[in-house]
Amino acid sequence: DIQMTQSPSSVSASVGDRVTITCRASQGISSWLAWYQQKPGKAPKLLIYAASGLQSGVPSRFSGSGSGTDFTLTISSLQPEDFATYYCQQTSSFPLTFGGGTKVEIK
Amino acid sequence: EVQLVESGGGLVQPGGSLRLSCAASGFTFSSYEMNWVRQAPGKGLEWVSYISTSGSTIYYADSVEGRFTISRDNAKNSLYLQMNSLRAEDTAVYYCARAGGNFDCWGQGTLVTVSS
Repeated sequence: DIQMTQSPSSVSASVGDRVTITCRASQGISSWLAWYQQKPGKAPKLLIYAASGLQSGVPSRFSGSGSGTDFTLTISSLQPEDFATYYCQQTSSFPLTFGGGTKVEIK
Repeated sequence: EVQLVESGGGLVQPGGSLRLSCAASGFTFSSYEMNWVRQAPGKGLEWVSYISTSGSTIYYADSVEGRFTISRDNAKNSLYLQMNSLRAEDTAVYYCARAGGNFDCWGQGTLVTVSS
């Protein structure tokens, strides 16, 4: 199974800050990576697919990069509605696996 | 509007069974692969099972293999998860999610609690 490791597990940031979250796969997954945002009590929402593709309707302040084993989600200017937990997911092979999550909190 | 609505969750004793349903609307259900994903209270996301458009290809997480069965009825635009031999560690919110890799649409989730 492919293990996905996210860092940090939590980050405190202010509105307007640039936030970067990292995800590492235990083996190469090419660009088969997705990023999700989840707010408390809600279902996850797809932000990024294929490592860098912006899902329709998602603000352009969200961007993804990377390939192989190392990936990054960047929020260029944090907005109040972006405080949430973010998960990466490998879509290369079954079993599909998620990272442990990164909680973005208000500083 | 694309929508997925889960139902069937509830409280069940260890060793018991439960059948979850997911009703799809607003899109051509038969054209999409489907999945179940769960989230234990206060924990992260765990993929549970996948089914292809025709139902001919199915995958399970090791944690549920042999106990859970995924199925679909394209005529009824519905996805199912039959859960047997339930354990305390199966307690979670269960989501149905559209598509084979990237999950671009999720239901609101249904809570399954396994406890005596």
